[in-house]
Amino acid sequence: DAGITQSPRHKVTETGTPVTLRCHQTENHRYMYWYRQDPGHGLRLIHYSYGVKDTDKGEVSDGYSVSRSKTEDFLLTLESATSSQTSVYFCAISESGGLSYEQYFGPGTRLTVT
Amino acid sequence: GDSVTQMEGPVTLSEEAFLTINCTYTATGYPSLFWYVQYPGEGLQLLLKATKADDKGSNKGFEATYRKETTSFHLEKGSVQVSDSAVYFCALGVIGNTGKLIFGQGTTLQVKP
Repeated sequence: DAGITQSPRHKVTETGTPVTLRCHQTENHRYMYWYRQDPGHGLRLIHYSYGVKDTDKGEVSDGYSVSRSKTEDFLLTLESATSSQTSVYFCAISESGGLSYEQYFGPGTRLTVT
Repeated sequence: GDSVTQMEGPVTLSEEAFLTINCTYTATGYPSLFWYVQYPGEGLQLLLKATKADDKGSNKGFEATYRKETTSFHLEKGSVQVSDSAVYFCALGVIGNTGKLIFGQGTTLQVKP
């Protein structure tokens, strides 16, 4: 199994509070991704990174920011959490951005915003 | 823009039944196509992939063929088991060196003994 961990695994927070989710990998893969999973929507890309300090937006990036200061860590921050951000968040990694490369997924973080 | 459409679920089958989960896509160019599986409480894992037209991906008894003419990548298995119960996601790899994937909405499969 690819070495990907996510923390925390579960979090309940209040509307308006900042939240940071962490993804940590031990594979030294260059590409990292943050997705959210919601019923009826599958997985949707929030942000991704193609190297240290190199990040870009996905299709649902509003209200989220990311940072990658080390190859192994990719942080997702909700600046001011809203109820619409209640979701399951998955981190994924990939060795390359090429078309045929597999993404490996972490176990997910279940976030509830009350 | 690029998109993936999967058949609505849930799909409920008896053990040893034949499985088909339909997947169609819209894309410019020739993307790679994937099927990922998510078992309860876990992250997604790659089930199979195909990188060009007429390629057949296969793994664990599952198969899917990349059909350019019908823009489809349907997942099939000849005889399902209870352990195949999971959520199945069809995805396409966006062209460009980003590795971005676009996922379908997922299809839940429940196999009963």
